[in-house]
Amino acid sequence: EAGVVQSPRYKIIEKKQPVAFWCNPISGHNTLYWYRQNLGQGPELLIRYENEEAVDDSQLPKDRFSAERLKGVDSTLKIQPAELGDSAVYLCASSPPGGFGENTEAFFGQGTRLTVV
Amino acid sequence: GENVEQHPSTLSVQEGDSAVIKCTYSDSASNYFPWYKQELGKRPQLIIDIRSNVGEKKDQRIAVTLNKTAKHFSLHITETQPEDSAVYFCAASKDTGFQKLVFGTGTRLLVSP
Repeated sequence: EAGVVQSPRYKIIEKKQPVAFWCNPISGHNTLYWYRQNLGQGPELLIRYENEEAVDDSQLPKDRFSAERLKGVDSTLKIQPAELGDSAVYLCASSPPGGFGENTEAFFGQGTRLTVV
Repeated sequence: GENVEQHPSTLSVQEGDSAVIKCTYSDSASNYFPWYKQELGKRPQLIIDIRSNVGEKKDQRIAVTLNKTAKHFSLHITETQPEDSAVYFCAASKDTGFQKLVFGTGTRLLVSP
């Protein structure tokens, strides 16, 4: 079974430039998450999708970050314009539907390491 | 919101020793507690999880214990091996049909041969 696929793996951009990350979740996983992981820290949730609907984006900096999951499968996360503090690893994860409201395992992608210079 | 604290930040042990990593959480409604292992430059991977209806769960050399009253849970690794060296993250969330994992800050475990 293919895992969560993210691209690119690495990205270096100058501040004020736009950048986009792409994620293809595991087939059949209706829940998709974008996390940001700063160096030496645990992942922090940016946004969660249930199918094509963003159901939790309370931690997404909406002035410069946007995300979409138009057909409820692939997703893109965009930053425009990027700032120096956006340098981090951006992780995508997906999970299958759970039964009876139970949480199910989140499977992570390899991440995109963004460096803003 | 939920806040998860994790200790220690680094842990060095000799091969064969046991390692214990501890986490505390703030939201008494949290009832799902996974542990993830992240090797350098790789993705976090689930190694074990526990729900609040049990106090302990084991899987070969790893075990997790949960104390709901004190709101803390711990990861125990016995007979450590060099390949156990990685960063370990605890997390907490509520069982609401989806995950909103709140992660701890991680513990870097180094197992020396």
